[in-house]
Amino acid sequence: SAVISQKPSRDICQRGTSLTIQCQVDSQVTMMFWYRQQPGQSLTLIATANQGSEATYESGFVIDKFPISRPNLTFSTLTVSNMSPEDSSIYLCSVLGQGWGKNIQYFGAGTRLSVL
Amino acid sequence: DAKTTQPTSMDCAEGRAANLPCNHSTISGNEYVYWYRQIHSQGPQYIIHGLKNNETNEMASLIITEDRKSSTLILPHATLRDTAVYYCIVFTGGGNKLTFGTGTQLKVEL
Repeated sequence: SAVISQKPSRDICQRGTSLTIQCQVDSQVTMMFWYRQQPGQSLTLIATANQGSEATYESGFVIDKFPISRPNLTFSTLTVSNMSPEDSSIYLCSVLGQGWGKNIQYFGAGTRLSVL
Repeated sequence: DAKTTQPTSMDCAEGRAANLPCNHSTISGNEYVYWYRQIHSQGPQYIIHGLKNNETNEMASLIITEDRKSSTLILPHATLRDTAVYYCIVFTGGGNKLTFGTGTQLKVEL
């Protein structure tokens, strides 16, 4: 399975600021995904990020609030912009496995964000 | 994607088998049954998936009924480290959208 590293693992931010979360994979992957998990809730897909194209956002999520970059096949960033306390969540990066794991999505450990 | 129904919570004694049920009565022919788990404060971990045959790997076994309307995840010898939320998800696989429900909170106790 892919090894996924997310940075930072946690952060406390002030209202109105922005935070960029990094996701690094140990192998080249075609598809990467960003999820949000609000306190006590299940995971919700924010967007799908493919290298060389614009990210595809799910209903309820917009590029101005959650801009995503995917500069190469091993790296992606998610920015949470103009944060409010409602953005306090765990943000998770996921990748689609290659080879034998091609039908499996693997997840990073997540970034725990608290907005004051 | 088809909707799944799981019990909210289950308890299991350490060393015993944990059997986690899932109903997916509206599953379509090209949808797989996937199981993930999420240990507290960690990202979801893939466990197993199957289409219609029973599957087994080093972590668990997946039993799918013949009509594919329900399935059971079996952890043969549960340990305290298996305490987690277990998600049953049906979807077509690959880069399609994974839709997480509320899952089953499994608590393994001494």
